[in-house]
Amino acid sequence: QQQVKQSPQSLIVQKGGISIINCAYENTAFDYFPWYQQFPGKGPALLIAIRPDVSEKKEGRFTISFNKSAKQFSLHIMDSQPGDSATYFCAAGPNQAGTALIFGKGTTLSVSS
Amino acid sequence: KAGVTQTPRYLIKTRGQQVTLSCSPISGHRSVSWYQQTPGQGLQFLFEYFSETQRNKGNFPGRFSGRQFSNSRSEMNVSTLELGDSALYLCASSLADRAASYNSPLHFGNGTRLTVT
Repeated sequence: QQQVKQSPQSLIVQKGGISIINCAYENTAFDYFPWYQQFPGKGPALLIAIRPDVSEKKEGRFTISFNKSAKQFSLHIMDSQPGDSATYFCAAGPNQAGTALIFGKGTTLSVSS
Repeated sequence: KAGVTQTPRYLIKTRGQQVTLSCSPISGHRSVSWYQQTPGQGLQFLFEYFSETQRNKGNFPGRFSGRQFSNSRSEMNVSTLELGDSALYLCASSLADRAASYNSPLHFGNGTRLTVT
């Protein structure tokens, strides 16, 4: 019940295309779903996050879609750029003290120019 | 505002040795979490501290330990190093009294790369 399953493991997208990364969780107590972006040699940085009371959140070219009944959420990167090439991690947590964020295994995105 | 600072950036140790990693959270942040990152396994939760108390611990052997000081700085220690302990160790801090939330997200440092030979 503590797993967060992320797919695909790697993704190659052409410049200007749409990148889609999917995550699924099992624990219904999870109510905080962030996405992190990590460049080589750097720590993960928060990209965008959503709470389960909304089905979609958009920030610039990045959108989270959330399906509470299916226990799935996804990251969409519109108009993908070479600078978006990085590893992306989804995560989920119960949004309460003393609990940990559970991370997916990551997706390595390469955007070709 | 300075971010999360981890020292050292790189470490090379031999099997059987022990190692101590240091983390300084963002000023004002009181919760510190540690994660192990390895290729293919993503980020695995080690432990979380708040006000010098360990509130949560991941599924790692007792060789992995940590502590937090009164100024919120944290250290983690790995004793009797094994080859499989080679990884990037990440420290993260958050502002509120919970490890991570929508209003108080985790902020990661750039990690300490530990290589065990």
